[in-house]
Amino acid sequence: DQQVKQNSPSLSVQEGRISILNCDYTNSMFDYFLWYKKYPAEGPTFLISISSIKDKNEDGRFTVFLNKSAKHLSLHIVPSQPGDSAVYFCAAYFGNEKLTFGTGTRLTIIP
Amino acid sequence: GAGVSQSPSNKVTEKGKDVELRCDPISGHTALYWYRQSLGQGLEFLIYFQGNSAPDKSGLPSDRFSAERTGGSVSTLTIQRTQQEDSAVYLCASSYPRGQAEKLFFGSGTQLSVL
Repeated sequence: DQQVKQNSPSLSVQEGRISILNCDYTNSMFDYFLWYKKYPAEGPTFLISISSIKDKNEDGRFTVFLNKSAKHLSLHIVPSQPGDSAVYFCAAYFGNEKLTFGTGTRLTIIP
Repeated sequence: GAGVSQSPSNKVTEKGKDVELRCDPISGHTALYWYRQSLGQGLEFLIYFQGNSAPDKSGLPSDRFSAERTGGSVSTLTIQRTQQEDSAVYLCASSYPRGQAEKLFFGSGTQLSVL
């Protein structure tokens, strides 16, 4: 049972434009959501997070939006840069339960 | 060390052999996870250690897989009688006790190839 889903395995965006990565979840108990970024041959690194009490969190070029009623979150990257090309994973947890990851979206920024 | 350290970085083994993968978490981190990523797939949860609590082993794919965490620090993931489908990158991650965010710090992984 995939509780966190990223339905787009890949996305290509022109440099300078906005990248929007989407994530859906099924477990209404989740109360914290995170995005991780992974380059080839490296472990994932934390990017940005959001608590379920918020609907938006911004950090520089990265903004995460949470729609609890739709059980949907998205990551916006503006403007997109070539160094943003990576695989992006969304993740969620509640309480002391384990962190559950989505399947990832490969983002390619076209110069 | 400054980060999560995994060894070996690469392991090639023959089908049927046992392998041990090691993870040294960041000092002071009480939570430790093992994940694996098969080619073209997402992060598959394997096992989760949190402090002195019983580990969550719900992700281990078969009884050939086991993991230990000694003294609340170093962890070893053991795969017995390896199969070709075990080939993947095995990632270890650690974090501080849960606060306002679960920020896992990942190692670079062990690339396991079963021939």
